[in-house]
Order: sequence, then structure tokens, then C-alpha cells
Amino acid sequence: DIQLTQSPSFLSASVGDRVTITCRASQGISSYLAWYQQKPGKAPKLLIYAASTLQGAVPSRFSGSGSGTEFTLTISSLQPEDFATYYCQQFNSYPYTFGQGTKLEIK
Amino acid sequence: QVQLQESGPGLVKPSQTLSLTCTVSSGSISSGDYYWSWIRQPAGKGLEWIGRIYTGGSTNYNPSLKSRVTISIDRSKSQFSLKLTSVTAADTALYYCAREDNDQVGASVAFDIWGQGTMVTVSA
Repeated sequence: DIQLTQSPSFLSASVGDRVTITCRASQGISSYLAWYQQKPGKAPKLLIYAASTLQGAVPSRFSGSGSGTEFTLTISSLQPEDFATYYCQQFNSYPYTFGQGTKLEIK
Repeated sequence: QVQLQESGPGLVKPSQTLSLTCTVSSGSISSGDYYWSWIRQPAGKGLEWIGRIYTGGSTNYNPSLKSRVTISIDRSKSQFSLKLTSVTAADTALYYCAREDNDQVGASVAFDIWGQGTMVTVSA
């Protein structure tokens, strides 16, 4: 199985901050990576697919980059509604796997 | 906009079979070229992909669960279903169904639509 390791696992930040979350794959996955945002009691919401393509209606302060084994999710200016848990997920090979999550908390 | 809704028993006894159904509404499960997946999340933990089914009926399963999992589709009802046999407490989780979107060459790229999830507890 392809392991996805996110860093950090916990992140404390303030409104207006720029934050970056990293996702590292145990082997190359080309650009078959998606990012999701999950709020308590809710299903994950797709933010980015194919490593860098923004899903429709997702604010442009979210961006993704990377290919191969290293990927990043950046939020350029944190808004109050962005405090949530973020997961990366690979579609390169079965079984599909997710990172362990990064919980973004208000400082 | 297509919507997904999970349904099924919230409590299952150990060693029994967990059965869930996902109903696709505001669209047909047969329209478009999609795979339909099941994903679970134990309380306070991360996400685990269980398996998927194509509109045409072909399936792929997570090897960690493959011996216990069956996913099926009922196109006439616009539903797909999950059966997980011989459950234990480790199968207690929030179960989601989701649609896999794909790119121009048919490769899956994202779970773009999710159900709200249904909690299943395994307990005597």
C-alpha cells in the first residue's frame, strides 16, 4: 500500500495567516492526489484534485502543488471557516489511501 | 446536483453482517462514467477506503477487507450496497458512500460527492 504522511499533524494559526500542509507519498503517485477538508460532524469536502486543480466553488485562497512523492496544500490567508481537518488522498493505485490528517486550529 | 444518502442499521452484533445502502438522487447511478465507493472513519480517526463498484458492475476492494466485503449495484433503484461479514468492534465507524470523478482519459481523480455518513456500532 502507498503510505501518505502529512505534516504537521496539528497546526495552530491565526486568521490571516498563510499556512502550508505537506503530504509525502511512500512511492511516486504522479499527480493522482486530492485534498479534502473535513469539519466536525460533516463529510469530507473536496478542495483540490490532480494535485493542483481547484474544485469548483472552492475559494482561490486554497492552492495545491507537487507531483511524484511530495505535495503541498497552501491556504494563502486563513479565514475563520478554514479551521478544520485536512486530508490528502491518492488515486494512483489500489488500495486508495488517505493521509492521517492535519488538524488546523485557531491560535 | 447528484446527492448520496446512506442507510442501514446503526447497530450490528459481533460476527454478524453489516449491510448498508447508498441511494443516488437528483441523478441516476447509471448516467455518466463513474465509480461508486465506500469509505469509513472510526470515531476521532482517519479515513479508510473500503472498495468501489463501477456502473457496469466491476469491483475493486481494499485487500485488508477483501475477504469480508461485497459491494453490489442496483441500477433500477439507483443504489449501491455494502456488505461486510464477520464484523467486530474494529468495524465500528462512520460509513460514507462517495462518487469518484474521473479525468478525460477515465482515470479516477477525486471523491467529489459524499453522503452525510451513517454511524454503525458493532456491539452485543
